[in-house]
Amino acid sequence: EVQLVESGGGLVQPGGSLRLSCAASGFTFSSYDMHWVRQATGKGLEWVSAISSTGDTYYSGSVEGRFTVSRENAKNSLYLQMNSLRAGDTAVYYCARERVITTTGIPPVYYYYGMDVWGQGTTVTVSS
Amino acid sequence: DIQMTQFPSSLSASVGDRVTITCRASQSISTYLNWYQQKPGRAPKLLIYGTSSLQSGVPSRFSGSGSGTDFTLTISSLQPEDFATYFCQQSYTAFGGGTKVEIK
Repeated sequence: EVQLVESGGGLVQPGGSLRLSCAASGFTFSSYDMHWVRQATGKGLEWVSAISSTGDTYYSGSVEGRFTVSRENAKNSLYLQMNSLRAGDTAVYYCARERVITTTGIPPVYYYYGMDVWGQGTTVTVSS
Repeated sequence: DIQMTQFPSSLSASVGDRVTITCRASQSISTYLNWYQQKPGRAPKLLIYGTSSLQSGVPSRFSGSGSGTDFTLTISSLQPEDFATYFCQQSYTAFGGGTKVEIK
């Protein structure tokens, strides 16, 4: 069964740090780009960060410089290191996979297939 | 950064109705547009990628169209299980604010 399972959420004080993990199973993890998406209670979805299958990293402006995404293909795991946390970072954090195909032409063409598998989410609460 | 705007933010409809949700990008994104459905307490579910490609297992009453800056998600005949919140997304990044589809 294709599955993503997040862990590592919890209560942290403003300015603190937390590391989220996402364990993948049932598919070839190394072949997929991976995302972190968050959702505050009663609010919409906010894209946070992504890491490509080749290790390139991307961040939203709201977390750049504070969060670091990484992956460990040998362990089928995705991580999000969150530092300098703020109240506005309080949310459910989801990991999700996306298949991306890149042509070898110049310039390359990217084919995106959407986030088709999501975890159940882990809750991060930033409060004193 | 490109901003994604959805409208309406909510709508009321009856079973069997044709429903259309609009998503507008602040600048052209070609056809790099996805749609997701989310029900309360659940993770989002991918419905459509690349503007109009139906994700495997998604009923054919869902369809997507558009290009450039203006996109639509259409549900041809609303079913009871379709009452949910729908989000558009520029491929790989920003989401729209969501459209809640409620029972009339």
